[in-house]
Amino acid sequence: SQKIEQNSEALNIQEGKTATLTCNYTNYSPAYLQWYRQDPGRGPVFLLLIRENEKEKRKERLKVTFDTTLKQSLFHITASQPADSATYLCALAMNTGFQKLVFGTGTRLLVSP
Amino acid sequence: GAGVSQSPRYKVTKRGQDVALRCDPISGHVSLYWYRQALGQGPEFLTYFNYEAQQDKSGLPNDRFSAERPEGSISTLTIQRTEQRDSAMYRCASSLGSGNTIYFGEGSWLTVV
Repeated sequence: SQKIEQNSEALNIQEGKTATLTCNYTNYSPAYLQWYRQDPGRGPVFLLLIRENEKEKRKERLKVTFDTTLKQSLFHITASQPADSATYLCALAMNTGFQKLVFGTGTRLLVSP
Repeated sequence: GAGVSQSPRYKVTKRGQDVALRCDPISGHVSLYWYRQALGQGPEFLTYFNYEAQQDKSGLPNDRFSAERPEGSISTLTIQRTEQRDSAMYRCASSLGSGNTIYFGEGSWLTVV
């Protein structure tokens, strides 16, 4: 069966450390993988996109890797800050149009001062 | 408008009643999407439109659910004969077009009692 797995338990880290979140998928062949941030009571906000032929993408303190052999994406936040505390969702897009995203359940990140 | 606007933000309805949820996308956005998000889960695709044309409704759970976007702008998601299992957050999103960043609204929280 098809599934997307993200750590269901919250990730607690100290301010300044690097947070690493994992997204594993089974029986999908995504053309793109996206990461979103969601704050309590708010809608998801797009952060980064990586294509299937890209290994790594960076944006400021964020870095995403995509391994289509392992069927895994890693999302890193370096020099984490308490303001980074939120739920982070990965989403698979099977084509270039992103019309039908398939989301993981999200991982809650808590950054302590 | 500045962002995707949804109304009502909260709706409590009795089982068996019909409900209509409205979405006003970002001005100029061609593509409009409906997702449903249960507590602790990622959004789940329902349907999407390009302009007024419904391109994919494969995510609608059953024939009690329908959506329209008659003038290519505002969209309405209608649930007929609501059931308790329909209780969830319903999120609308829009994008400039296929393949562009998707912006989510704050959602309409539906509770069926």
